[in-house]
Amino acid sequence: GQSLEQPSEVTAVEGAIVQINCTYQTSGFYGLSWYQQHDGGAPTFLSYNALDGLEETGRFSSFLSRSDSYGYLLLQELQMKDSASYFCAVSEYNTDKLIFGTGTRLQVFP
Amino acid sequence: DAGVIQSPRHEVTEMGQEVTLRCKPISGHNSLFWYRQTMMRGLELLIYFNNNVPIDDSGMPEDRFSAKMPNASFSTLKIQPSEPRDSAVYFCASSLVGADEKLFFGSGTQLSVL
Repeated sequence: GQSLEQPSEVTAVEGAIVQINCTYQTSGFYGLSWYQQHDGGAPTFLSYNALDGLEETGRFSSFLSRSDSYGYLLLQELQMKDSASYFCAVSEYNTDKLIFGTGTRLQVFP
Repeated sequence: DAGVIQSPRHEVTEMGQEVTLRCKPISGHNSLFWYRQTMMRGLELLIYFNNNVPIDDSGMPEDRFSAKMPNASFSTLKIQPSEPRDSAVYFCASSLVGADEKLFFGSGTQLSVL
């Protein structure tokens, strides 16, 4: 089965850069995804890494290293509206399930 | 595109009652997923369908839970009888094909079982 671990909480100030890590134990997966969820809202897709390396989408970037069983989400030029929970997720090879990590709550302060 | 539509938005019921949650996926999407979210257990996959067929229901907690997808535009998740420990937010999500695609989530149903 899959196990994806994330820090429970991260805090930062507006304008800063923050990195949210995701370490996993898995027998095999297609790719690593990241989702954002505001309080009371639904998860929304942010990014996807099928291959090792960095994917950039505006202020957000995501990184994957399969050899290190590790990925991260990088948020730059933080804004107050970035305060939310962030989840990594992997889609398993043999079951085609999307399994979510434990989630990281990001609080951005002025 | 209206997105994934779930109803009701909130449900408050008493222990022992039957609860039915509803979901309309995005038109053209072939995969549908039911997730449950709690503080203690995070986002748990309950069951998912491909082309209206249940593929994996290993996440369904017990026999009190059942899910159906009678056609490509509608799915239900039923709990009978409900228990206080079922209180959670239940999300429905859909994707074009499978879990290796972007999932689009509905707004969720906040279920409280008293």
